[in-house]
Amino acid sequence: IAGITQAPTSQILAAGRRMTLRCTQDMRHNAMYWYRQDLGLGLRLIHYSNTAGTTGKGEVPDGYSVSRANTDDFPLTLASAVPSQTSVYFCASRGDREDYGYTFGSGTRLTVV
Amino acid sequence: ILNVEQSPQSLHVQEGDSTNFTCSFPSSNFYALHWYRWETAKSPEALFVMTLNGDEKKKGRISATLNTKEGYSYLYIKGSQPEDSATYLCAFLIYNQGGKLIFGQGTELSVKP
Repeated sequence: IAGITQAPTSQILAAGRRMTLRCTQDMRHNAMYWYRQDLGLGLRLIHYSNTAGTTGKGEVPDGYSVSRANTDDFPLTLASAVPSQTSVYFCASRGDREDYGYTFGSGTRLTVV
Repeated sequence: ILNVEQSPQSLHVQEGDSTNFTCSFPSSNFYALHWYRWETAKSPEALFVMTLNGDEKKKGRISATLNTKEGYSYLYIKGSQPEDSATYLCAFLIYNQGGKLIFGQGTELSVKP
């Protein structure tokens, strides 16, 4: 693993089903983030975690939950998927140096039907 | 709600043209401004992290300036090449809320050979 790994790459999900998007990083970054990308709306923050054991809500948290049991993993769960959650989801992390940007994963394309 | 505005939304130029985009952000409680380059089917990659008023940063043919007092940043590309075609994102860092980035919608650049 180099950087951030997201899984699955893409998924078609029936409405009402539960789904967990996985995000793993090997850079020992403390801060991690989940964004969704929608046409015309750009990247919007769903949830974040500043360090293992803590999480916080972003701009669009409704319908999503996260956990941060350890430094490396930051899964995003949709408890009961709805079509409006069709999007591309990006996980990102940030090191402690403030002059470094975020590192992004390659994204998960989710379609809820 | 914090707004980060980018203009233009899209730009089509010929190879060899120089171009620039604008990012507007809140001038109060400034901590940092990020620029990212996002190629189609890839994930965003950090270009610059800018923190000081008057900052100028350069990476090859790409440079950026920062004015925190009036709340804007410019990204310049000198002598555009087809490989510069991408979406360029700026993002405003909200540090007092855990270092969260609020993204603009991006400027989509297309460089024709």
